[in-house]
Amino acid sequence: GNSVTQMEGPVTLSEEAFLTINCTYTATGYPSLFWYVQYPGEGLQLLLKATKADDKGSNKGFEATYRKETTSFHLEKGSVQVSDSAVYFCALKGYNKLIFGAGTRLAVHP
Amino acid sequence: EAGVVQSPRYKIIEKKQPVAFWCNPISGHNTLYWYRQNLGQGPELLIRYENEEAVDDSQLPKDRFSAERLKGVDSTLKIQPAELGDSAVYLCASSLDTGLGVMETQYFGPGTRLLVL
Repeated sequence: GNSVTQMEGPVTLSEEAFLTINCTYTATGYPSLFWYVQYPGEGLQLLLKATKADDKGSNKGFEATYRKETTSFHLEKGSVQVSDSAVYFCALKGYNKLIFGAGTRLAVHP
Repeated sequence: EAGVVQSPRYKIIEKKQPVAFWCNPISGHNTLYWYRQNLGQGPELLIRYENEEAVDDSQLPKDRFSAERLKGVDSTLKIQPAELGDSAVYLCASSLDTGLGVMETQYFGPGTRLLVL
């Protein structure tokens, strides 16, 4: 069946450090891929998405590229800020529903 | 524009008691979702509505869980009786789907955190 695997957290970084959160998936066909972010006390927000192989989604300085050959959709940001501290979820669309990874908590300190 | 509204935000009950959660989706959104998020996990779909019709309830434990979406707008999710393992965050989401095979962005509410003692 369809599934998403994310790197375990927490990830702790200093401000302005480079961020990578790994995400790999198992799916039939070529599903759309998403990154959602959950700030403390808030609901999930769509951060970026990619709908086909080699697409790059980007938003707020975050990027992720849909890699069919490695079935991956890693999240990256060149310089993180304290305000980026949150839980990040990788997800895929399968059978008209989202299937989420377990989430990766990011903590950025000054 | 108002986002997805959920209430209550927090609920503490004793096991075997009933509990209900309410969701008001974004105005005009035809598709509504209920998810359950266990601690340290990603959300898992419980039920999806297209307008008033439940089109995917395969993950809803029907012996104790029920849901309704009257008039295709607000929705209520009920648990009766609650068990200790039901402690989780219950998320509601909505989207405007055109029926052209493209799943549109889902917008999530803040969730209801349930603790069953």
